[in-house]
Amino acid sequence: NAGVTQTPKFRVLKTGQSMTLLCAQDMNHEYMYWYRQDPGMGLRLIHYSVGEGTTAKGEVPDGYNVSRLKKQNFLLGLESAAPSQTSVYFCASSYVPPGVELFFGEGSRLTVL
Amino acid sequence: SQQGEEDPQALSIQEGENATMNCSYKTSINNLQWYRQNSGRGLVHLILIRSNEREKHSGRLRVTLDTSKKSSSLLITASRAADTASYFCATDEYRGGADGLTFGKGTHLIIQP
Repeated sequence: NAGVTQTPKFRVLKTGQSMTLLCAQDMNHEYMYWYRQDPGMGLRLIHYSVGEGTTAKGEVPDGYNVSRLKKQNFLLGLESAAPSQTSVYFCASSYVPPGVELFFGEGSRLTVL
Repeated sequence: SQQGEEDPQALSIQEGENATMNCSYKTSINNLQWYRQNSGRGLVHLILIRSNEREKHSGRLRVTLDTSKKSSSLLITASRAADTASYFCATDEYRGGADGLTFGKGTHLIIQP
């Protein structure tokens, strides 16, 4: 079982460049999430989706866009990258809450110069 | 904002000893979860405890929940080198987790051989 797969695993961008992180899950989960992890800050929710074709803002959505065109995929886009977006990004998925565990990908490390 | 706050931030013990980590939160919850993160990897779910439960066991893990004090503890008994990792608590303060889980900043546990 692949579980949750994130691509790419590493990426270096220059300020102002754009990129898309792809998350794919093969567990038929309804819910998908994008978190960022920064030193001393824990994980913070960027955007999430409760089903195909839906997206919603999390705690720190500014500077990011997302799309969920297919149930198994959740894309995170940066239109104009800034150094403050240097972080490790984690995608997760789950069955419908409440009381469900999140399954995480291995992370995508993004550096913005 | 950070709902769960783990204590201590870092803990170093000898192999074979027990490790205890604490988590405090601020609002009412339905469930509280604990996750482990090995260095450079994604988070892995360990255990979920519901608000109407006071204690739960899973192998060498013991979790307690005190809703009156808004706190939880994770006990790892007979620690092993492989337990070296960061541990996070996560709560579903928003609509039972339908808006994502809120993670604390984590406890970094080091098991000395």
